[in-house]
Amino acid sequence: DMKVTQMPRYLIKRMGENVLLECGQDMSHETMYWYRQDPGLGLQLIYISYDVDSNSEGDIPKGYRVSRKKREHFSLILDSAKTNQTSVYFCASSLSPGGGALEQYFGPGTRLTVL
Amino acid sequence: KTQVEQSPQSLVVRQGENCVLQCNYSVTPDNHLRWFKQDTGKGLVSLTVLVHENDKTSNGRYSATLDKDAKHSTLHITATLLDDTATYICVVGDRGSALGRLHFGAGTQLIVIP
Repeated sequence: DMKVTQMPRYLIKRMGENVLLECGQDMSHETMYWYRQDPGLGLQLIYISYDVDSNSEGDIPKGYRVSRKKREHFSLILDSAKTNQTSVYFCASSLSPGGGALEQYFGPGTRLTVL
Repeated sequence: KTQVEQSPQSLVVRQGENCVLQCNYSVTPDNHLRWFKQDTGKGLVSLTVLVHENDKTSNGRYSATLDKDAKHSTLHITATLLDDTATYICVVGDRGSALGRLHFGAGTQLIVIP
């Protein structure tokens, strides 16, 4: 059963604290993503990782950094969290196909509240 | 500017009724379009993908169409069930590979009542 997991599922932090969101996948997918979802907006891409230690900024990388030391794990780090980073964060993974439509598999999300 | 617009924003139907969700986009190139279902507090689950001009797909009670000339897609849900209550998200990919970007709509919130 193909799966993307996220930990924790819920997190409350104070402004200025560091935040670590973890994502795992058991499909040996090369590519992994971090998105955030805010009310009334579509998912926005924060970072994309094409493989171990091969990471690229997405559309809204400011205030975030990532780490990918193993293919199956992808971490999102907020150094000194801000209140406007309160959101639901989704991790996804995909194979890089030779053609056709790319399919992404999504985790269940982490709801982060920064007070 | 939002490149994927979905309508309506929200919709309430009675169990057993049919409904149609709309997706208009301006993404170029438009390699493929996918519809996702997102249950409350959960991740996105793919329902169907459309790739070619005038594609039509069917997945049980879900069917979808794509008009690439008009940059428009519809998702039809037949004989709705209470479990269809969810947010339906339209996503347009500008390439078939991971080198491309996915452009997400904000979703249509569907509520099915008894």
